[in-house]
Amino acid sequence: DQQVKQNSPSLSVQEGRISILNCDYTNSMFDYFLWYKKYPAEGPTFLISISSIKDKNEDGRFTVFLNKSAKHLSLHIVPSQPGDSAVYFCAATINFGNEKLTFGTGTRLTIIP
Amino acid sequence: DAGVTQSPTHLIKTRGQQVTLRCSPKSGHDTVSWYQQALGQGPQFIFQYYEEEERQRGNFPDRFSGHQFPNYSSELNVNALLLGDSALYLCASSLVGTAWAYEQYFGPGTRLTVT
Repeated sequence: DQQVKQNSPSLSVQEGRISILNCDYTNSMFDYFLWYKKYPAEGPTFLISISSIKDKNEDGRFTVFLNKSAKHLSLHIVPSQPGDSAVYFCAATINFGNEKLTFGTGTRLTIIP
Repeated sequence: DAGVTQSPTHLIKTRGQQVTLRCSPKSGHDTVSWYQQALGQGPQFIFQYYEEEERQRGNFPDRFSGHQFPNYSSELNVNALLLGDSALYLCASSLVGTAWAYEQYFGPGTRLTVT
């Protein structure tokens, strides 16, 4: 049972344009969501997070939006840069203090120069 | 400041054998979590260790066991290896009880191949 889903295995975006990565979840108990970025031969790196009490969180070029009623979140990267090419994982967790993360299957983002 | 380190980088084992993977957490962190990432999948939570005890466990059989040492480093042991255990094993560390506990720091992983 895949509780966190990333339905787009890959995405290609022109440099300078906006990249939008999507994530859906089924477990309504999830109350904290994170995005991780992974380069080949490296472990995932934390990018940005959002609590279920918010609907938006920004950090520089990265913005995460949360739509609780739709059980959907998205990561916006603007403007996209070649260094953003990586695999992006959406993750979720239940209850503060519980650090068990449930990950999606990832989206491979390619930024075209 | 050393990040999370894992050893070995790669490992090839035969079905039925046993394997031990090692992890040293980021300096200052006290909690270690282990994840299995199969090809084309996202990481799946195996278990988490805090204060040398297994704090949480994912949906993995008892063949998967672990240990945490007083210096917070950790081992993952897998017995009776199956072909399906071939995966990238990731270790992540965090500092429990902090606002950043979710923002786990991952090591580069150990690539295990079972033949």
